[in-house]
Amino acid sequence: GAVVSQHPSWVICKSGTSVKIECRSLDFQATTMFWYRQFPKQSLMLMATSNEGSKATYEQGVEKDKFLINHASLTLSTLTVTSAHPEDSSFYICSAPAGTSGIRPSYNEQFFGPGTRLTVL
Amino acid sequence: DAKTTQPPSMDCAEGRAANLPCNHSTISGNEYVYWYRQIHSQGPQYIIHGLKNNETNEMASLIITEDRKSSTLILPHATLRDTAVYYCIVRVAVSGFQKLVFGTGTRLLVSP
Repeated sequence: GAVVSQHPSWVICKSGTSVKIECRSLDFQATTMFWYRQFPKQSLMLMATSNEGSKATYEQGVEKDKFLINHASLTLSTLTVTSAHPEDSSFYICSAPAGTSGIRPSYNEQFFGPGTRLTVL
Repeated sequence: DAKTTQPPSMDCAEGRAANLPCNHSTISGNEYVYWYRQIHSQGPQYIIHGLKNNETNEMASLIITEDRKSSTLILPHATLRDTAVYYCIVRVAVSGFQKLVFGTGTRLLVSP
């Protein structure tokens, strides 16, 4: 199946700093990628939809100025947590639907990255 | 968006079949039922999906009731590595993009 990678796999940073997380589709192109956040013992919460060449679409309650998303190419989306605070500590996961190389994505399975664990001290 | 209801946890003995139920009584006619699982501290993994017919692949079988209001994921011979949280998701399509909304899932514990 298609492979999605994330970098870094874990990161520890000081409060007030910014952290960038990369999500790459390794063997397919993705015009759309999704970013999720997962707190301990909770389910995944969709944060935003990343669109190649255009602005991301954020879910209700997610601050777009705090969680900056850039989808600069068909294989890379980045999530930057700006001015991170301890409450931003979480497991961040990206995903991409296969078959999204065209304007109209096909309804195929979604491939998830391995996740990035962010700890803000 | 159609919501799903799953039991919070289930136990299964290794080698036995694991049957994970899911209720989705408000599902609409063109919505698919997807199953994913998440092993601890990893990204979710796709298992199977279906519309109205039963489906089977190398990982599992999906049984969907005739009225489509519920479904069951079957792992025919559970192993210890199948211990994970299993999510039943009804796919939401917004403006042509695929969007998955995760519920609380079922935590399956496979024991020796």
